[in-house]
Amino acid sequence: DAKTTQPPSMDCAEGRAANLPCNHSTISGNEYVYWYRQIHSQGPQYIIHGLKNNETNEMASLIITEDRKSSTLILPHATLRDTAVYYCIVRVGSNFGNEKLTFGTGTRLTIIP
Amino acid sequence: ETGVTQTPRHLVMGMTNKKSLKCEQHLGHNAMYWYKQSAKKPLELMFVYNFKEQTENNSVPSRFSPECPNSSHLFLHLHTLQPEDSALYLCASSQRESPLHFGNGTRLTVT
Repeated sequence: DAKTTQPPSMDCAEGRAANLPCNHSTISGNEYVYWYRQIHSQGPQYIIHGLKNNETNEMASLIITEDRKSSTLILPHATLRDTAVYYCIVRVGSNFGNEKLTFGTGTRLTIIP
Repeated sequence: ETGVTQTPRHLVMGMTNKKSLKCEQHLGHNAMYWYKQSAKKPLELMFVYNFKEQTENNSVPSRFSPECPNSSHLFLHLHTLQPEDSALYLCASSQRESPLHFGNGTRLTVT
């Protein structure tokens, strides 16, 4: 699976949009981009995933560049409960059965009141 | 509530003890996983079970022994652990068309 690069930490003001970048310059054509987050003392939580089109769900939006070498996770109106470590992961396929996700060190997002 | 329940939430054990971690999922998934998260290190995949059969053992020492009696339950039996085995142990489940669901983990301390 392709390697990802994320900034180690970011701050965002409460109520503003939080934009979390991820570089995956060696991504292959059949690799998807996944985002998970881990709130302190909890297990990781799935947020969103995509291949090449932008995606949106009730939690966030995922913007993938046309060359697919980078992506941005957007939390449109950040709240204090969004403070967490956010992981960007790339892997082959979206067949969720028999997952073997490789987690990096992620971005520690702190929402400031 | 994630649909994946892990017990106990916290465990302290000596190096000569035998203990077990339990995971139960109520999501109807067919695959279950054990991950280890040590302080300041990324999550490490330990074991994968698919339809009760072990499909992945990521070079885990034999002092960790997994058991999957059915698709809803997963155990991790612990025996003669070392202090460096202290970590957060996370269970997860998944199946086709569903993302990986994690429990909230067992915080293990080996003294």
